[in-house]
Order: sequence, then structure tokens, then C-alpha cells
Amino acid sequence: QVQLQQWGAGLLKPSETLSLTCVVYGGSFSDNYWNWIRQPPGKGLEWIGEISHRGSANYNPSLKSRVTISVDTSNNQFFLEVTSVTAADTAVYYCARGRLLTSQRPPYFQHWGQGTLAIVSS
Amino acid sequence: ENVLTQSPATLSLSPGERATLSCRASQTVSNYLAWYQQKPGQAPRLLIYDTYKRATGIPARFSGKGSGTDFTLTISSLEPEDFAVYYCQQRSNWPLTFGGGTKVEI
Repeated sequence: QVQLQQWGAGLLKPSETLSLTCVVYGGSFSDNYWNWIRQPPGKGLEWIGEISHRGSANYNPSLKSRVTISVDTSNNQFFLEVTSVTAADTAVYYCARGRLLTSQRPPYFQHWGQGTLAIVSS
Repeated sequence: ENVLTQSPATLSLSPGERATLSCRASQTVSNYLAWYQQKPGQAPRLLIYDTYKRATGIPARFSGKGSGTDFTLTISSLEPEDFAVYYCQQRSNWPLTFGGGTKVEI
């Protein structure tokens, strides 16, 4: 049974860098891409990007200039950094298991972390 | 990007009634469309994928249909636990996108 557990700083000031960590338990970390998705309060879901165990990352063009996703295969962890945050980055951030390495098509998401609320406020 | 528009924004119904939710894509997604249910304080839960296939453990009262750009999620008889927000998601092309959600309320 795959489980994802995430954590990170909850309160940031404008222009700071948001950093989150997600650890994966169960399953095979190297078989899938690992994703970040966010949800502003009361709003819909936005896909941020994905990374493989080899470090191959793909990003949503709308966020690409400020986002970095990285991976630590030895600890089954992956990370999200968002630089120069503003109030518009206030959201619940989710990690989720994505597509198999052999798939070219975007994924559906069956396994999610519990979510982490990040608030950007001066 | 492929914009998904969900309607209505809110659906007010009673337990036992039938719910019909719509998702329209700005570009064809073939049958690569999923539906999620989200309750307050929880991550979304995958209900339906590839238009009509139920995910593991999803009751038969949830069904999906459609193709191309127009899709429907139907809940045949609402149970109290079905009152939630529902999102559609396409995986036909990058970047994957979600709809804005439909809230099913009592």
C-alpha cells in the first residue's frame, strides 16, 4: 500500500522561498513519476510538476520559472521549491504519485499526501 | 492549455435524488477524463477514470460517460456521504488540467 507523507514551512513572507518535502512509503519509488499539485483556499486544483527517481522533471509552464522539483532516491523523498512567493501562492500543496516511467501520457492521481497549507503574508 | 469548465458550480439536492454533473473541455480529450471527489480538509479521491471506469472501491451509484469534449458524472441516488465537491481532470495533453469544481450540497 502506497502512502505519501508531506511536510514543510507553513507561513512565509512575500519574496521568500516555499520548501516542501514528501516521503513515499510502500510500492516502488523508481517505477513512477512523483507530482506536486496545489489548491488555493476555496478554489480548484493546479498541477505544478513531476519528477522521476532519475531527476527528470516536467513543469507546468505557468509556474516553471519559479519552481524546482528535486528528488532523494536513497530516502524515497521528493521536494518542491517555489521562489519569490506572493499571496497568490497561498494554497494547500499536495504530493501525489503519477504516471509510470514507461507512460508518455499525463497521469491520473490515486495516491495523495495529506496536504500542507502554505500561507504567504507580510 | 486545455481548459475544463464544470457546471453547475453548485447543485442543491436531497439524499436519494439523482445528481448530474457536467465537464466541458476546450479541446478534445478523447476519453482521457477522470472525476474526483473532495471533502473538506481531505485530499481528492479518484472516482472515475478514462471517462467511465470506476476506481477501486467506488460504489456503482457513480457512473461517467461522454467523449471528445463533453462529459458527465452521474450519482444515481445520493447518499449523505456524497455531499462534497467534484472535480474533473484531463490527461489527454500536457499540462494536465482540472476543472473548477461542482459543489453538491444539501
